[in-house]
Amino acid sequence: DQQVKQNSPSLSVQEGRISILNCDYTNSMFDYFLWYKKYPAEGPTFLISISSIKDKNEDGRFTVFLNKSAKHLSLHIVPSQPGDSAVYFCAASSGTYKYIFGTGTRLKVLA
Amino acid sequence: GAGVSQSPSNKVTEKGKDVELRCDPISGHTALYWYRQSLGQGLEFLIYFQGNSAPDKSGLPSDRFSAERTGGSVSTLTIQRTQQEDSAVYLCASSFLAGSGANVLTFGAGSRLTVL
Repeated sequence: DQQVKQNSPSLSVQEGRISILNCDYTNSMFDYFLWYKKYPAEGPTFLISISSIKDKNEDGRFTVFLNKSAKHLSLHIVPSQPGDSAVYFCAASSGTYKYIFGTGTRLKVLA
Repeated sequence: GAGVSQSPSNKVTEKGKDVELRCDPISGHTALYWYRQSLGQGLEFLIYFQGNSAPDKSGLPSDRFSAERTGGSVSTLTIQRTQQEDSAVYLCASSFLAGSGANVLTFGAGSRLTVL
């Protein structure tokens, strides 16, 4: 039973446009959500987080939206840059320690 | 150190052999995690250590897998009698549990294990 799902394995976007990466979850007890970016042969690096008491968190070009009623979160990257090409993982936890990760979405930003 | 350090970065072994993977967490981080990523899969939780508490081993896939953390710092993940399905990238992460707010994990670069 996959509690965190990223249903789009890949996404291609033109440079300068918006990238929207989606994530769905099933456990209503999840209260913290993280997004990570992973380049080949490197470990995942933290991008942005959101708590369940918020519906939006913004950091520069990255914004995460949380819709608790739909159990859905999304990561918006605007404007997209070629260096954003990577695999993006969402992760969720209830309590603060054990994160469940999705299967990832490979983003390709075309120059 | 400045980041989470893992060794070896690559390990090729024969089926049936034992392997040890090492993780050096960020100094001062009390929590340490092992995840693995198999080909085309997400990050699968394996085990979690926090201070002197009993580890959460709920993600270990079989009793061939074990892990220890000595002195609250370095951790070793041991896989006995390796099987081909153990082939994956094993990722270690550490964090400082602040008690509130998001617990952000910092990952190492991983140890890629290939079982022939």
